[in-house]
Amino acid sequence: DVKVTQSSRYLVKRTGEKVFLECVQDMDHENMFWYRQDPGLGLRLIYFSYDVKMKEKGDIPEGYSVSREKKERFSLILESASTNQTSMYLCASSRTDYGYTFGSGTRLTVV
Amino acid sequence: KQEVTQIPAALSVPEGENLVLNCSFTDSAIYNLQWFRQDPGKGLTSLLLIQSSQREQTSGRLNASLDKSSGRSTLYIAASQPGDSATYLCAVISGTYKYIFGTGTRLKVLA
Repeated sequence: DVKVTQSSRYLVKRTGEKVFLECVQDMDHENMFWYRQDPGLGLRLIYFSYDVKMKEKGDIPEGYSVSREKKERFSLILESASTNQTSMYLCASSRTDYGYTFGSGTRLTVV
Repeated sequence: KQEVTQIPAALSVPEGENLVLNCSFTDSAIYNLQWFRQDPGKGLTSLLLIQSSQREQTSGRLNASLDKSSGRSTLYIAASQPGDSATYLCAVISGTYKYIFGTGTRLKVLA
């Protein structure tokens, strides 16, 4: 069964910390995505990548960066965590022109 | 700019009822439309993917239809069960690598 794995289900971090969220897919998909989901705001795209070492800003990239050194792994980095980055983070992957497969999500709390 | 709307935002039905969830989009030039289910605190699970050349897809008690000319998709759930209670999201991809998500319909099936 195809899978997108997010390394942590729950994380609690302190304000100002550098935070790494990891996502790994085993489907050889070209495209990978990071979203955040907040009540009343729906899913918002942070960054996406359509190839190794390629990245594109989504709708809300401020305060985030990403890394894709290998095809199967896409990392989201919070350079200096802030309380307004408390959210559910969802990773997804896809083959171009086909559907998304999502991971199970990481609930990040910044205190 | 593509916009995706789901109405109603919430729906409560008795067990056994057949129901229809609606998804509307403003730009008919889409590649795919995908329906997802999300349980509280979890990631998104893909239910059905309809590619632009298709008009419907079926999986078990679920049937999704697509009418690109009118900018609409419907998800039909037959003989609803309490286990169907979740939030249902539709998403469209049109010309870029990324999906545009609706804000979802929160379904509650009463035993």
